[in-house]
Amino acid sequence: ELKVEQNPLFLSMQEGKNYTIYCNYSTTSDRLYWYRQDPGKSLESLFVLLSNGAVKQEGRLMASLDTKARLSTLHITAAVHDLSATYFCAVVWNRDDKIIFGKGTRLHILP
Amino acid sequence: ETGVTQSPTHLIKTRGQQVTLRCSSQSGHNTVSWYQQALGQGPQFIFQYYREEENGRGNFPPRFSGLQFPNYSSELNVNALELDDSALYLCASSFRGDGYTFGSGTRLTVV
Repeated sequence: ELKVEQNPLFLSMQEGKNYTIYCNYSTTSDRLYWYRQDPGKSLESLFVLLSNGAVKQEGRLMASLDTKARLSTLHITAAVHDLSATYFCAVVWNRDDKIIFGKGTRLHILP
Repeated sequence: ETGVTQSPTHLIKTRGQQVTLRCSSQSGHNTVSWYQQALGQGPQFIFQYYREEENGRGNFPPRFSGLQFPNYSSELNVNALELDDSALYLCASSFRGDGYTFGSGTRLTVV
């Protein structure tokens, strides 16, 4: 069974600081997604990572994938308050196309 | 290009009743998946349909069932509702798994 672990689960940080959210998964997968969720809202797609070494950037967010280490990171550069949200990684289990989410990282950026 | 739409947005049902939730896929998408998200948790994969066939299922009992129609819209049916079924139900569509677009969800409350 595929397991997806995110850490930290909760992060409070000051504006202007950098930080990284980690996503580890337990079995082989060829697709990993990052999503953002605001309170009471649905999921907004941020990145789709399909291959080892993939790196994607959008604004202050950058995601990377290491399939050998089964690790993805979401790096936040010079955080701003608007980035406060819960961030989920989700991994597709190759065996039967299940999509397994991590528990999410609740990010709170202090002005 | 329309996004993923779900109906209804909110629903209150009594324990033991049955419910049907609906999802219209984004134009051009032939894959739809359903998730249950309890408060403060990550989404849990219920099942996925590709071209009207179920092609992946999570750890949910048989009283959770679904359909996908020729126009790729979908229904989630839950029989014999239990209090623990109270959650946000999310539908997502994709073209063969290349990135999922989520609907805004249906918030189900079972009393």
